[in-house]
Amino acid sequence: GDSVTQMEGPVTLSEEAFLTINCTYTATGYPSLFWYVQYPGEGLQLLLKATKADDKGSNKGFEATYRKETTSFHLEKGSVQVSDSAVYFCALSERGRSGGGADGLTFGKGTHLIIQP
Amino acid sequence: NAGVTQTPKFQVLKTGQSMTLQCAQDMNHNSMYWYRQDPGMGLRLIYYSASEGTTDKGEVPNGYNVSRLNKREFSLRLESAAPSQTSVYFCASSGDRGRTEAFFGQGTRLTVV
Repeated sequence: GDSVTQMEGPVTLSEEAFLTINCTYTATGYPSLFWYVQYPGEGLQLLLKATKADDKGSNKGFEATYRKETTSFHLEKGSVQVSDSAVYFCALSERGRSGGGADGLTFGKGTHLIIQP
Repeated sequence: NAGVTQTPKFQVLKTGQSMTLQCAQDMNHNSMYWYRQDPGMGLRLIYYSASEGTTDKGEVPNGYNVSRLNKREFSLRLESAAPSQTSVYFCASSGDRGRTEAFFGQGTRLTVV
């Protein structure tokens, strides 16, 4: 079945540091890939997405490129801020299913990011 | 814009009690989902509904039932709560059988004692 693997952390960085959170996936079809962010006490919010190979998703200074050859979707940001402290989830959604199998997103376990001033 | 609304936000139950978590979305989405979030486990799909009138099991359905009351509403019921069901529950919806992004509610933090 589908699966998503990401570094769990916590990952602690200083403000203005470069961020990479690794994410790799296993899927049978042609998934769409997502990064979600969860701030304390809140639900998940979509951060960025990519729907096909070599697509780059970007938002709020974060970027991730859909790499089919390495089955990866690593999240990067050039200069993090204290306000980026949150839990980040990599997820996939299969496209092109003809039937059978569960709908919905498959999530990684989440990476807790802590940014220190 | 309300998006996905869940009630209640917090609940404490005694073992064996029952309760229903309510969820409503105002985005005219066909697909709705219930997830649970546990420390170190990420989010796991409990049940989903691809369209009004249909429901299907996800990864962890045991101990739960769902009802897709209409296109807007999707409820999750615990008939006899157990401590293992202590978790944060999220409802979500999406427009294209999960092929596009999902929108999440704020969550229900449930404690079973």
